[in-house]
Amino acid sequence: QQPVQSPQAVILREGEDAVINCSSSKALYSVHWYRQKHGEAPVFLMILLKGGEQKGHEKISASFNEKKQQSSLYLTASQLSYSGTYFCGTEMVGSNQFYFGTGTSLTVIP
Amino acid sequence: DAGVIQSPRHEVTEMGQEVTLRCKPISGHDYLFWYRQTMMRGLELLIYFNNNVPIDDSGMPEDRFSAKMPNASFSTLKIQPSEPRDSAVYFCASSSGPSNYGYTFGSGTRLTVV
Repeated sequence: QQPVQSPQAVILREGEDAVINCSSSKALYSVHWYRQKHGEAPVFLMILLKGGEQKGHEKISASFNEKKQQSSLYLTASQLSYSGTYFCGTEMVGSNQFYFGTGTSLTVIP
Repeated sequence: DAGVIQSPRHEVTEMGQEVTLRCKPISGHDYLFWYRQTMMRGLELLIYFNNNVPIDDSGMPEDRFSAKMPNASFSTLKIQPSEPRDSAVYFCASSSGPSNYGYTFGSGTRLTVV
């Protein structure tokens, strides 16, 4: 039930782009994205709902492909402040259960 | 808005002792969630409430864990007796509708059982 994220870890230089993927084996109703900095709580970034959409948040955007049951988070022109662990969370169609993915550690270096 | 407030921030206790974690959700949020985070298991849902009623407690590890929400502005998670394997960061989160809105997490309680 837990969504699978890839990659597990990525290191970027400032200004580079990154893509984080989140895949489910079940049909999805919604996908959430969160960022957690070390020693802090996860912070909500955005939610994408069934119907296939793309959303943006500053230079961070995401897409949701319900046919493929996956979502991708795009980070463009990365900044040092983007460092942290990114989690997707998924709610499946017909279920009120919600599962967080295993997380992707992203490190931006100067 | 002060956000979700958890207390204490850190708790160190001896094995066998009772531990009580506290949470004040955001006013107006009907949903409250208790999560546990460890390196090995990631973020695990323990229990969630809707309008103060427990809806799903299937994630509660065993009878040593209990949670209550006596009113819309307060919830507790109790572990009795505590064991070293309970050591983790416990997060409380609230939402006005998780299917369409995100979760707002509290700062967490880092529990260490020695």
